[in-house]
Amino acid sequence: AQSVTQPDIHITVSEGASLELRCNYSYGATPYLFWYVQSPGQGLQLLLKYFSGDTLVQGIKGFEAEFKRSQSSFNLRKPSVHWSDAAEYFCAVFWMDSSYKLIFGSGTRLLVRP
Amino acid sequence: DAGVIQSPRHEVTEMGQEVTLRCKLISGHNSLFWYRQTMMRGLELLIYFNNNVPIDDSGMPEDRFSAKMPNASFSTLKIQPSEPRDSAVYFCASSFSPGDQPQHFGDGTRLSIL
Repeated sequence: AQSVTQPDIHITVSEGASLELRCNYSYGATPYLFWYVQSPGQGLQLLLKYFSGDTLVQGIKGFEAEFKRSQSSFNLRKPSVHWSDAAEYFCAVFWMDSSYKLIFGSGTRLLVRP
Repeated sequence: DAGVIQSPRHEVTEMGQEVTLRCKLISGHNSLFWYRQTMMRGLELLIYFNNNVPIDDSGMPEDRFSAKMPNASFSTLKIQPSEPRDSAVYFCASSFSPGDQPQHFGDGTRLSIL
């Protein structure tokens, strides 16, 4: 069965420190990969996406992610975290098969220490 | 351009009442997806439509839930009768086709059933 795993429920980093949020997915077909951010009480904002090509993708707000096929991973990174980055982050995967379903991970809540 | 518009943003009602959530698609989009977000289950797809036709409703929790697209730009999700366990944030998203990515999300409706 198709699944997306975000192993970290919470992560706390200090402002200015680097960040890496992990995402792994199951299933063998080549996926489309996404990271969304959700601030409290808000909707989902797309940070970045990977469809094909260069496996390192740049997104908004200084975020980037790297697709590693061998590890079935799509980790999100930011070199220097800002207090405004505190939010919940969701990895999502779409497989172009008959299901047409976007499968979300359980989310990682990022807390930023001043 | 206007994005996906959901109404109401918040709904509080007593159990047993009928609840109707509304979603307006982005102009030109033909696919509509309804998601539910809860603490226990995260973000899960309830149903999706293509060209006004329901394609996959396997995520609809039970018969109390129904969704329609009376026209190409508008959808409703109804819960009748509502129960406290239906309390969640409901998102709709649209795209040009089921395989078109990314989906564009609305800001969600926060539903509380007392």
